[in-house]
Amino acid sequence: GAVVSQHPSWVICKSGTSVKIECRSLDFQATTMFWYRQFPKQSLMLMATSNEGSKATYEQGVEKDKFLINHASLTLSTLTVTSAHPEDSSFYICSARPSGGGTQETQYFGPGTRLLVL
Amino acid sequence: ILNVEQSPQSLHVQEGDSTNFTCSFPSSNFYALHWYRWETAKSPEALFVMTLNGDEKKKGRISATLNTKEGYSYLYIKGSQPEDSATYLCAFKGWADGLTFGKGTHLIIQP
Repeated sequence: GAVVSQHPSWVICKSGTSVKIECRSLDFQATTMFWYRQFPKQSLMLMATSNEGSKATYEQGVEKDKFLINHASLTLSTLTVTSAHPEDSSFYICSARPSGGGTQETQYFGPGTRLLVL
Repeated sequence: ILNVEQSPQSLHVQEGDSTNFTCSFPSSNFYALHWYRWETAKSPEALFVMTLNGDEKKKGRISATLNTKEGYSYLYIKGSQPEDSATYLCAFKGWADGLTFGKGTHLIIQP
């Protein structure tokens, strides 16, 4: 149980294009999902918290107009990197917290998406 | 900026030996400390969520302890096996909803 999928697993795109990444909780509902980013040799860094049916909360320094988050259902959150540039190349990974659990509950992670912008 | 440190960065251990590594985190505004095991090309696997000072949790040959007053947690692996090779991540949860991760300890078990 508690499986989170992420699609695509890797993507290469040209500078200026937009890329959408999907995060799905397969066997549980998740009111809250999180998006993290990892640059080489760095730790996973929280980008934003996504709550179903409401606007996402972005961490300081993360541009909300560049990283669009939509959490339209209890099992799906999407991250769209708009007008991607080479500096957006990174590893993006989502997590989902089962609905009804407290804020201390486990977050279950997807396998991540590697984005390369040429 | 929250500081979560893990040491060592990497570790080579002979099969059958036991090992441990450390996670240090802020001792204020503590809500929980998470441990994950992350194998390459897979999803990080949740190991433990620890919330109380003095907590000790166990899952098979892996166990963890927690000291919230001094801000550290230890992860122990008893009788290491090749399948234990992975990166072990700890993550601090304070008042905010998301997790603050350390860089991880990369463990390699040598047969």
